[in-house]
Amino acid sequence: AQKITQTQPGMFVQEKEAVTLDCTYDTSDPSYGLFWYKQPSSGEMIFLIYQGSYDQQNATEGRYSLNFQKARKSANLVISASQLGDSAMYFCAMRVSGYALNFGKGTSLLVTP
Amino acid sequence: EAGVAQSPRYKIIEKRQSVAFWCNPISGHATLYWYQQILGQGPKLLIQFQNNGVVDDSQLPKDRFSAERLKGVDSTLKIQPAKLEDSAVYLCASSLRWTANNSPLHFGNGTRLTVT
Repeated sequence: AQKITQTQPGMFVQEKEAVTLDCTYDTSDPSYGLFWYKQPSSGEMIFLIYQGSYDQQNATEGRYSLNFQKARKSANLVISASQLGDSAMYFCAMRVSGYALNFGKGTSLLVTP
Repeated sequence: EAGVAQSPRYKIIEKRQSVAFWCNPISGHATLYWYQQILGQGPKLLIQFQNNGVVDDSQLPKDRFSAERLKGVDSTLKIQPAKLEDSAVYLCASSLRWTANNSPLHFGNGTRLTVT
């Protein structure tokens, strides 16, 4: 069975600081993809970053990077230089064998001035 | 490119009534998904289509929920009869390649359903 765990219900960070959102996963399939999505209060799900299980390097997309530790089965999202607009829910998700994304419960991030 | 379109944006109904949601995926995306997101939780897959065939509907409450995807493009999700616990946001998503783990899902803005 596949499982995604996000243990931080809520996080605070000050503007311009970096923040790490935790995600652990569980699967017995050697081939999988890990995703992070942002959901602002308006409700849309915005794709941020992707990491493949065979990728040797950590993924980066602008201010977003994914700290992938395969042995620990963790895929933490790092947001550098936080902005007020980063305040949102963040979801970690996994995809195995081309099936649909399986999401965690999410972490609410609040960026303060 | 145009994104995933969903309608209506909001819907309020009484329990035991029926409701339908519509989704138009991104052009060229063969795979379409319906998710249910209850307040404070992550999205949960209801059904996955590949073209007009069902890939996974194991979590769809088939006694009250139904979905179809005619001609492999638009899709409708129906609830009949609705229960209070169906109050949620219903998200439609599409992806280009269903067999590739690296193909991200692109989501619509969702339909917020309130059952009173």
